[in-house]
Amino acid sequence: QVQMQESGPGLVKPSGTLSLTCTVYGDSITSSKWWSWIRQPPGKGLEWIGDIYHSGGTNNNPSLKRRVTMSVDKSKNEFSLKLTSVTAADTAIYFCARRIFYDGTTYYHPFDSWGQGTLVTVSS
Amino acid sequence: DIQMTQSPSTLSASVGDRVTITCRASQTINNWLAWYQQKPGRAPNLLIYKASTLESGVPSRFSGSGFGTEFTLTISSLQPDDFATYYCLQYESDSSEAFGGGTRVEI
Repeated sequence: QVQMQESGPGLVKPSGTLSLTCTVYGDSITSSKWWSWIRQPPGKGLEWIGDIYHSGGTNNNPSLKRRVTMSVDKSKNEFSLKLTSVTAADTAIYFCARRIFYDGTTYYHPFDSWGQGTLVTVSS
Repeated sequence: DIQMTQSPSTLSASVGDRVTITCRASQTINNWLAWYQQKPGRAPNLLIYKASTLESGVPSRFSGSGFGTEFTLTISSLQPDDFATYYCLQYESDSSEAFGGGTRVEI
């Protein structure tokens, strides 16, 4: 049973950089999976941020792409998110998640496991 | 960029009711659509994928249908544990609005 745990600062100053890490338990970061970030502003809906594969390949939400950097640390079985130039609009619960890259039949898969989420507030 | 329009945004219902939620895609996504249930303070939980395939462990009162641009999630007999918010997700392509806006099911 896979478990995923987000970690990082809960408070970031405006114009700063939001940095989060997701540690994966029960699955290998080098398996055939996309490792993803999704966020949810308090009381609002879900927004996909992007995915990263262990080789470094990424998919990105076009509306956030210029501010997002994702990376993988195979030695620690974790992946990370950096979001630059943050504003109050970036205040949200940030979830990490995974989806299958390819199961032998199709490349299309939804998010099937999620972390519990971590609240990041952008405020001075 | 594919947009997902989910309706209604709020739904009032009673235990035992049959409930239907709709998701419409701005262009065809074949059947690459999933439904999630989210309870307050929790991560979303996958209910249905490929429009109509029930995820393992999900009660059979949940069902999904649709293809192309129009999809529905049906709860055949609403149970107390089903009061939550439901989201659709298209995973046919990368999009800034991959998730629907959500439907809150309340008493």
